[in-house]
Amino acid sequence: GEDVEQSLFLSVREGDSSVINCTYTDSSSTYLYWYKQEPGAGLQLLTYIFSNMDMKQDQRLTVLLNKKDKHLSLRIADTQTGDSAIYFCADPLLPDRMDRGKLIFGQGTELSVKP
Amino acid sequence: EADIYQTPRYLVIGTGKKITLECSQTMGHDKMYWYQQDPGMELHLIHYSYGVNSTEKGDLSSESTVSRIRTEHFPLTLESARPSHTSQYLCASSGQGPSEQYFGPGTRLTVT
Repeated sequence: GEDVEQSLFLSVREGDSSVINCTYTDSSSTYLYWYKQEPGAGLQLLTYIFSNMDMKQDQRLTVLLNKKDKHLSLRIADTQTGDSAIYFCADPLLPDRMDRGKLIFGQGTELSVKP
Repeated sequence: EADIYQTPRYLVIGTGKKITLECSQTMGHDKMYWYQQDPGMELHLIHYSYGVNSTEKGDLSSESTVSRIRTEHFPLTLESARPSHTSQYLCASSGQGPSEQYFGPGTRLTVT
């Protein structure tokens, strides 16, 4: 079945770039998503990328998609202490499936930003 | 900004009690979801609904039940709470278009 994998922890210094990686198995995804979860809160949609794009940039965030290797990454430039959170990548199931609309989430990467 | 609400935010309750976790959304979304989140962060889908009177079990077996009598409301009930039910419960919804889901703030449940 579909699977999404992420490394569990990443620690960076304030001002450095952070790169969070994700691999997925479902090659038919039309979108891939990044969510952010701050302590004690729900998940917040951070950004997404269409499968026909290789890169998407949104202010300090850059999403890279390598469809051949089924690899997705989220780069945060000039990482701040406020970026400390858990980051989830998510892969939707195919729209023609009975259980369409479901998202397969990775395990989450805990980003720790040290001052 | 998504308008999806969960109450209570925190609940501490004794073993054997019946509880209902509330989830409401004002976006008119047809699809709604309940996730259970481990202390180790991973999300597990326990229930979902595609509309009124539609409910399905998720990927993780759960002793909880859900109902969907109104589009905007998707409550989760535990008939007899146990310490193993201690967890964070997250509700989400999504509309007709792309699959992005909007999450509520979560309910942190502790069963003593």
